[in-house]
Amino acid sequence: EVQLVESGGGLVQPGRSLRLSCAASGFTFDDYAMHWVRQAPGKGLEWVSGISWNSGSIGYADSVKGRFTISRDNAKKSLYLQMNSLRPEDTALYFCAKSRWLAGSHFDYWGQGTLVTVSS
Amino acid sequence: QSALTQPPSASGSPGQSVTISCIGTSSDVGNYDYVSWYQQHPGEAPKLMIYDVSKRPSGVPDRFSGSKSGNTASLTVSGLQAEDEADYYCSSYAGSNNRVFGGGTKLTVL
Repeated sequence: EVQLVESGGGLVQPGRSLRLSCAASGFTFDDYAMHWVRQAPGKGLEWVSGISWNSGSIGYADSVKGRFTISRDNAKKSLYLQMNSLRPEDTALYFCAKSRWLAGSHFDYWGQGTLVTVSS
Repeated sequence: QSALTQPPSASGSPGQSVTISCIGTSSDVGNYDYVSWYQQHPGEAPKLMIYDVSKRPSGVPDRFSGSKSGNTASLTVSGLQAEDEADYYCSSYAGSNNRVFGGGTKLTVL
């Protein structure tokens, strides 16, 4: 059974940093691209970032470019999101999701999300 | 990276059909057959319902179908059932390793 379990969320002050993790199981992790998608309270989904199976290709939404860094460790079957210079508008539930390819394919499984709250 | 445009709400009675539109541009929906649709019930993670415009994953009822014409994709739910009441989001590949979502449509079964 495919499982994606996010962790690392919490309450953080504006301007500070936070690192999210996503632990994967139930599939061959290094066969898939991975993504972070967020959902602000009561709002819609927003793609944040994606990374190819070998970390060779990466994409970011304009809203986080230069502040967030995505990475993965295939040996640990884990995905990460380093979030710096956090802003109140980054407050959201952050989901990790997998896709077959970075360029094009759909998100076939999602985790349950980890909540990030940016507030003073 | 502008969001795709979806109607905020849609509704139908049990047994009826409803269609949700997803309007993009020639840089995303109109340029790639990588449109997907997700269903999200309150407090749950999104679930893939349609991918590559019109393909259904295993386990998704054939009441759900997708199509695309130009810059507009559509999701049709036929034979509405109470459990179909949820939020629905479209998504498209937008080139250069980017993705874009629609704003979401709240489907109400009357």
